[in-house]
Amino acid sequence: KNQVEQSPQSLIILEGKNCTLQCNYTVSPFSNLRWYKQDTGRGPVSLTIMTFSENTKSNGRYTATLDADTKQSSLHITASQLSDSASYICVVIAEYGNKLVFGAGTILRVKS
Amino acid sequence: NAGVTQTPKFQVLKTGQSMTLQCAQDMNHNSMYWYRQDPGMGLRLIYYSASEGTTDKGEVPNGYNVSRLNKREFSLRLESAAPSQTSVYFCASSEPAGLGRYEQYFGPGTRLTVT
Repeated sequence: KNQVEQSPQSLIILEGKNCTLQCNYTVSPFSNLRWYKQDTGRGPVSLTIMTFSENTKSNGRYTATLDADTKQSSLHITASQLSDSASYICVVIAEYGNKLVFGAGTILRVKS
Repeated sequence: NAGVTQTPKFQVLKTGQSMTLQCAQDMNHNSMYWYRQDPGMGLRLIYYSASEGTTDKGEVPNGYNVSRLNKREFSLRLESAAPSQTSVYFCASSEPAGLGRYEQYFGPGTRLTVT
């Protein structure tokens, strides 16, 4: 069964600290993996898109990594800001059937 | 550009009532989608439209109908609302056709409560 599991479910960190969010998936065959940021009361907004051949991709203070062999991805946030408080969603796209499988998300709260 | 817009933002229905959620995009995208988001679960696809004039069922289509009115607009209808349909509904669009190949842009969501 195609699944995407994210950990932790929620996380609280102090402003300025770094954090790493995890995503494990069983989607096969794999096409690409995306990380989205969803602010409270808003729709998801794309942070990164990674294909099979990409190991690392950065978008400002956000860096995503992908290990297609172990089917794991992580999102690292550097020097967190209050505005980083949001839900971060991992989405894996299966090659056949064009199926998107969404993780439940990690809720990040950055405190001052 | 407004991107993807949805109306209404909030709605409360009684069981058995009907309503239509509206979605419009101004990015000239061919493909449009309806998702629902429930606490502790990932977004689930209800219906999608790969292009104007076509619609297909997603993962959780029961209890819903859709209409691709034109290239810009894609509506979701609940004919007889049930408490299990209490959720946040998101519309999205992408270009060109195909769920997974291109970036999806999401609307702000409609929070629906069925009592």
